[in-house]
Amino acid sequence: KAGVTQTPRYLIKTRGQQVTLSCSPISGHRSVSWYQQTPGQGLQFLFEYFSETQRNKGNFPGRFSGRQFSNSRSEMNVSTLELGDSALYLCASSLLGNHETQYFGPGTRLLVL
Amino acid sequence: EDKVVQSPLSLVVHEGDTVTLNCSYEVTNFRSLLWYKQEKKAPTFLFMLTSSGIEKKSGRLSSILDKKELFSILNITATQTGDSAVYLCASLRAGNNRKLIWGLGTSLAVNP
Repeated sequence: KAGVTQTPRYLIKTRGQQVTLSCSPISGHRSVSWYQQTPGQGLQFLFEYFSETQRNKGNFPGRFSGRQFSNSRSEMNVSTLELGDSALYLCASSLLGNHETQYFGPGTRLLVL
Repeated sequence: EDKVVQSPLSLVVHEGDTVTLNCSYEVTNFRSLLWYKQEKKAPTFLFMLTSSGIEKKSGRLSSILDKKELFSILNITATQTGDSAVYLCASLRAGNNRKLIWGLGTSLAVNP
């Protein structure tokens, strides 16, 4: 079974631009969670999607948004990028949204200049 | 505010040493505590702990939870260079706002 895949793996953007990241969960998994990881803040929960519905969200500004498609693939979008958005963005999938058994993708490294 | 604190933040040891990594938590509606290993990018699952005093073991790694004192430890015996990684601790908060609260991690470097 293929693991969680994320594209692109690396991205360089400038302030003010917007970016879209993609996550394909493990086949059969219906839940996708997104995390931002930075050295100073560690892993922080962005949001979780389950069967195309946002089920939970963290404390991030409205510039961060996401969606999930009927095939469970998910995208997250960050608009009006700021320097502080530079981070590793990880997605994790699980079968039923059980945070205790989730599998992480390799992440997308975003650098905002 | 919910928080998970790991210590030490970084550690350098020699092959064969035994290490103990610490994780304390203050999480409302606590459900479980999880340990992950992050080598390059994707964190990989190590242990999930829900009950106090019951040791989970996998090879040279073991972990235990103390729900009274609100902490967990991860032990690695006879360390190898392949154990070099960041070890992450996370606590699952149950309920309507169910989510994982993460610590900053302990960066372990094992020198030959």
